[in-house]
Amino acid sequence: DAKTTQPTSMDCAEGRAANLPCNHSTISGNEYVYWYRQIHSQGPQYIIHGLKNNETNEMASLIITEDRKSSTLILPHATLRDTAVYYCIVRSATDSWGKLQFGAGTQVVVTP
Amino acid sequence: GAGVSQSPSNKVTEKGKDVELRCDPISGHTALYWYRQSLGQGLEFLIYFQGNSAPDKSGLPSDRFSAERTGGSVSTLTIQRTQQEDSAVYLCASSPGFYTGELFFGEGSRLTVL
Repeated sequence: DAKTTQPTSMDCAEGRAANLPCNHSTISGNEYVYWYRQIHSQGPQYIIHGLKNNETNEMASLIITEDRKSSTLILPHATLRDTAVYYCIVRSATDSWGKLQFGAGTQVVVTP
Repeated sequence: GAGVSQSPSNKVTEKGKDVELRCDPISGHTALYWYRQSLGQGLEFLIYFQGNSAPDKSGLPSDRFSAERTGGSVSTLTIQRTQQEDSAVYLCASSPGFYTGELFFGEGSRLTVL
């Protein structure tokens, strides 16, 4: 199964774009990339997912490299409420769709 | 309610006692998942329901753990003869169908085993 590598932590200034990298060099052609976040003491929250093409929704943008070995989650205008642990997940094509393998994630701190 | 509801939000129990944790998924969601998160650890998949059946129980740590779902809605996770290592936040999630990784999580039930 594909695994992901994320930085342990990163800081971002309020109002600026936050760019969260994720490496998934062993990803297979039919495996999706999912992003979730977990604000302290809350359950995880789905953000976005993609397969090959870049994706955008009201929360964020997901940029996937052409070789699919890495991706970047972009929060366009970070706010203090975006402080959370962000998880990049590659969903195994052989697992149940909702069986997600969460790693350690990236602790993002948005500062005023 | 609008979201996934879990109860109790906090449970403190003594080692060896049985506990039941309840999950009310979002109305109409057919898939339901249980995860747990131990202190300082990542989220760990436990079990998945599609309707009332559990096609994937691979994450249940031992035979002390069981879960059921009735009426395609409410689910109960039961832990028998609790141990201290069972202390964790137990999270329930639901999704509108099988072919999606977009899960809606509840706030979790924090279990402390003394």
